[in-house]
Amino acid sequence: QITLKESGPTVVKPTQTLTLTCTLSGFSLSTSGVGVGWIRQPPGKALEWLALIYWDDDKRNSPSLKTRLTITRDTSKNQVVLRMTNMDPVDTATYYCVRLIPYGSGSYFDYWGQGTLVTVSS
Amino acid sequence: SYVLTQPPSVSVAPGQTARITCGGNNIGSENVHWYQQKPGQAPVLVVYDDSDRPSGIPERFSGSKSGNTATLTISRVEAGDEADYYCQVWETNSDQPYVMFGVGTKLTVL
Repeated sequence: QITLKESGPTVVKPTQTLTLTCTLSGFSLSTSGVGVGWIRQPPGKALEWLALIYWDDDKRNSPSLKTRLTITRDTSKNQVVLRMTNMDPVDTATYYCVRLIPYGSGSYFDYWGQGTLVTVSS
Repeated sequence: SYVLTQPPSVSVAPGQTARITCGGNNIGSENVHWYQQKPGQAPVLVVYDDSDRPSGIPERFSGSKSGNTATLTISRVEAGDEADYYCQVWETNSDQPYVMFGVGTKLTVL
């Protein structure tokens, strides 16, 4: 059974750095063709893709946020970590971890975590 | 910047057919994928590669594409289909490809 589970703080202060961890189960990020990414959704708003990392450590970031985002993987723990710097109240959202297949443009998100709500507030 | 256009809302009576469109300059040359999101839940993939259905998705859900418009069609709509629906493509006409989502369409079952 494939699952992805997000973990991290529920509240961060403005200007702080958000660190979210996604723990994978039922598949490995070492498997050729597999990617894992992050998508967020502000309350009542649309989905926004943030970043993704592939089995070979290739990475992609949202052009609008790329200076603030870092995505890394720990294959020994089967985890993916997202860091977002300089958090602002507009970054308040539910953050989803997702699996992406197949490799390359045209790929899609076939498994989603339950999401974790992050509130940015002083 | 690239935008995927969806109608904000679509309303349909039970048993009827709902059609949700997704428009964009590159859709004709890209694979389009569709997600269903019910309130308080994570999105679920319902159509991928324009018209394929993942295992477990009813045949009532189908996808098509014509020119630069993709359409998600839900036949014999049920109350349980009420949800937000998002299209997704890759924008490849840039220095580095990235993922785009449509703005979402709220399907209301009357």
